[in-house]
Amino acid sequence: AQTVTQSQPEMSVQEAETVTLSCTYDTSESDYYLFWYKQPPSRQMILVIRQEAYKQQNATENRFSVNFQKAAKSFSLKISDSQLGDAAMYFCAYRSEGGSQGNLIFGKGTKLSVKP
Amino acid sequence: EPEVTQTPSHQVTQMGQEVILRCVPISNHLYFYWYRQILGQKVEFLVSFYNNEISEKSEIFDDQFSVERPDGSNFTLKIRSTKLEDSAMYFCASSEPRDRRLSGANVLTFGAGSRLTVL
Repeated sequence: AQTVTQSQPEMSVQEAETVTLSCTYDTSESDYYLFWYKQPPSRQMILVIRQEAYKQQNATENRFSVNFQKAAKSFSLKISDSQLGDAAMYFCAYRSEGGSQGNLIFGKGTKLSVKP
Repeated sequence: EPEVTQTPSHQVTQMGQEVILRCVPISNHLYFYWYRQILGQKVEFLVSFYNNEISEKSEIFDDQFSVERPDGSNFTLKIRSTKLEDSAMYFCASSEPRDRRLSGANVLTFGAGSRLTVL
């Protein structure tokens, strides 16, 4: 069975600085998708960024980028120029290519604090 | 931007009581899901629903749970006889159909969650 591990329960970053959240996963599959979701205090989870395993190029979305290392099964999220609004829980998630449309496997999450 | 809305935001119930959690998915989405998050633990998949039937369910989704799309807009999760361990945040999500011609996975849009407290 696939697992997702986020080894940092909490992280802190100074406003305008850069922070990297780590995520590792375990799978025997070659095709899959990886996601980072953000859950602000209002509780609604919002997709931050996604990566298809067959793509070698790391996904980027404005200030958010990933470092996808398929061989190492690592999928870290880098937030550049951190803003106060980035403070939230961040969840890493995995989904099989051949699996159910929505059966996401989540990590435990990393709580990010942003200091002014 | 379209949202998935969930009601109630918080429900307190006595053990053994039936609970119905309601969700209004995004209108053009065809796949619907329920997830739950017990306090301090991972978000866990419960069930996915498509074309008026369950397409996949997890081990958590036992006979005490059921889902329904009663009127074409609402998507409900019913817990027949609640237990203490059902206390959790329940998240509804929806997504568009996945088109294999398009790159990338279908994206789930989550609701803000319904907190269930079983006493």
